[in-house]
Amino acid sequence: DADVTQTPRNRITKTGKRIMLECSQTKGHDRMYWYRQDPGLGLRLIYYSFDVKDINKGEISDGYSVSRQAQAKFSLSLESAIPNQTALYFCATSESHQGNEGEYGYTFGSGTRLTVV
Amino acid sequence: AQKVTQAQTEISVVEKEDVTLDCVYETRDTTYYLFWYKQPPSGELVFLIRRNSFDEQNEISGRYSWNFQKSTSSFNFTITASQVVDSAVYFCALITTGTASKLTFGTGTRLQVTL
Repeated sequence: DADVTQTPRNRITKTGKRIMLECSQTKGHDRMYWYRQDPGLGLRLIYYSFDVKDINKGEISDGYSVSRQAQAKFSLSLESAIPNQTALYFCATSESHQGNEGEYGYTFGSGTRLTVV
Repeated sequence: AQKVTQAQTEISVVEKEDVTLDCVYETRDTTYYLFWYKQPPSGELVFLIRRNSFDEQNEISGRYSWNFQKSTSSFNFTITASQVVDSAVYFCALITTGTASKLTFGTGTRLQVTL
């Protein structure tokens, strides 16, 4: 099994529908992230969580919400999907090292390709 | 604030040519890490390299090499004798140290290698 699992892998949904993207990890990492990738824009951070009780907005959080149900699970919701939320979504995890978080990098899921029609 | 710039949106080369992908970064921190990721057409992100700010030695891994220059805030990636399988989008990314740090990506460079 993959260290970071995203479900579903692909999803087509209609405008106005609520949709949830799920992420689970077996790395035992405290930190989890949701990124969105659009062509020509790279990956942009939507939300992140440094532990179960900690949720923070990233640079593009409008229209999204998240839930950290457990250390291993971090879900992203689109309350009312719109076409410009069509994108590739990545979940990632990282370890918490006091003052040296970058050293071990991130572990990424395989991505969820979401299309809103 | 931190920023990563990949000015080359798309590069096309013929197989066996060498190609360099540019990455310029901005950060006020003195300790940071730089990364390169490959995204093949299948969509997943493949980790290629991590380099910390105190290690300016260039690195070579097979046909891949990386040139880190703090003086110009650049971390460029060269593929020697490119192959069709190298066709992908390549991302450069930066993370600083500190408890609130997050990984910041450049906009990516799409490399197309043709026969």
